[in-house]
Amino acid sequence: DVKVTQSSRYLVKRTGEKVFLECVQDMDHENMFWYRQDPGLGLRLIYFSYDVKMKEKGDIPEGYSVSREKKERFSLILESASTNQTSMYLCATRGTGGHYGYTFGSGTRLTVV
Amino acid sequence: GQQLNQSPQSMFIQEGEDVSMNCTSSSIFNTWLWYKQEPGEGPVLLIALYKAGELTSNGRLTAQFGITRKDSFLNISASIPSDVGIYFCAGRKETSGSRLTFGEGTQLTVNP
Repeated sequence: DVKVTQSSRYLVKRTGEKVFLECVQDMDHENMFWYRQDPGLGLRLIYFSYDVKMKEKGDIPEGYSVSREKKERFSLILESASTNQTSMYLCATRGTGGHYGYTFGSGTRLTVV
Repeated sequence: GQQLNQSPQSMFIQEGEDVSMNCTSSSIFNTWLWYKQEPGEGPVLLIALYKAGELTSNGRLTAQFGITRKDSFLNISASIPSDVGIYFCAGRKETSGSRLTFGEGTQLTVNP
């Protein structure tokens, strides 16, 4: 089975800090995604990547950027954290072929104070 | 933006009861998926559906791909306490590549 590892389960950061959320997968999947999860809003796509150095904006990219220098690693960057970015962040991957289901990491709960 | 309407938002049921939830959209989807998220974990895929009218089971769970391709349903029979969690529907359009659209989720609570 694919394993998707998010580097931190819980993070507390201060307003204005630059924050890095890391996601690593071990199955050579081409597609990687970053979502944020908020009560009543479901999962909203921030950015995704279908190959190394490739990135596409999702539905809510403002205030975020991403980096994919290696196939197995997809990083989400909050350039200047704000309190409205307090949320659960989920990384997901999908390979080509087969079913279209994603494999998710366990999530990072970020609190910005 | 969000294009899937999932209902109900939450359910409180007694152990042994059956559960139904659904997802609707104004758009046509080629694939429907159902996920379950347990507390402190990421969502896990339960069932994937690929054809209009398809009915697929996974143990006590049964999901259907609506005939209009604009909706999907998930039923859980004889609920047990470990069914607790958030259930998400997700859909994929033909033109969206690997990108999925998720519903808002249904929070299920099962009382023993």
